[in-house]
Amino acid sequence: GQNIDQPTEMTATEGAIVQINCTYQTSGFNGLFWYQQHAGEAPTFLSYNVLDGLEEKGRFSSFLSRSKGYSYLLLKELQMKDSASYLCAVLDSNYQLIWGAGTKLIIKP
Amino acid sequence: DAGVIQSPRHEVTEMGQEVTLRCKPISGHNSLFWYRQTMMRGLELLIYFNNNVPIDDSGMPEDRFSAKMPNASFSTLKIQPSEPRDSAVYFCASSLSIGDVDIQYFGAGTRLSVL
Repeated sequence: GQNIDQPTEMTATEGAIVQINCTYQTSGFNGLFWYQQHAGEAPTFLSYNVLDGLEEKGRFSSFLSRSKGYSYLLLKELQMKDSASYLCAVLDSNYQLIWGAGTKLIIKP
Repeated sequence: DAGVIQSPRHEVTEMGQEVTLRCKPISGHNSLFWYRQTMMRGLELLIYFNNNVPIDDSGMPEDRFSAKMPNASFSTLKIQPSEPRDSAVYFCASSLSIGDVDIQYFGAGTRLSVL
């Protein structure tokens, strides 16, 4: 079967750094996405990785290791507005997006 | 661009009633997706269209659900008859396939409550 695992909830402090992990087991791999979803709002695209390594985009970075079936989203200089759920999704061999359950990130002052 | 537009934003109905959700994708996008999101089950793909043609409806829970895309700028998701367990947030997303990167952009969603 297809499976994506993320922690259910994480807590971090404003100004700090947090790493949200995602491990996956899917039928094939054609890329991995991270989306941000604020409570009561729609998911919005953050990043896309298809090759191994780190992709940096401002305060947010995403890492991928295809051999380990592993990715992480790194958030630096945390702000209160970063409190949201972060969804990991993998594009499988049929180009279907398989979604994780999401990680709820709580930022404390 | 206005983004993906969904209507209504909220819908409250009684069990047994017909519900129709509407979606206008981003102009120029060639794929459209209907999702359902609940606390228990997370984000679930119901159906997706490519160039207005339904490609995969394996996520449609049962015959009470149907979706149409009569043209490139409009899609509907219909539930008839509705049941309390259909209560969820329904998202529509659209994307433009460019090579292997296919970024989905979501609408604001329709929060459905079936009493």
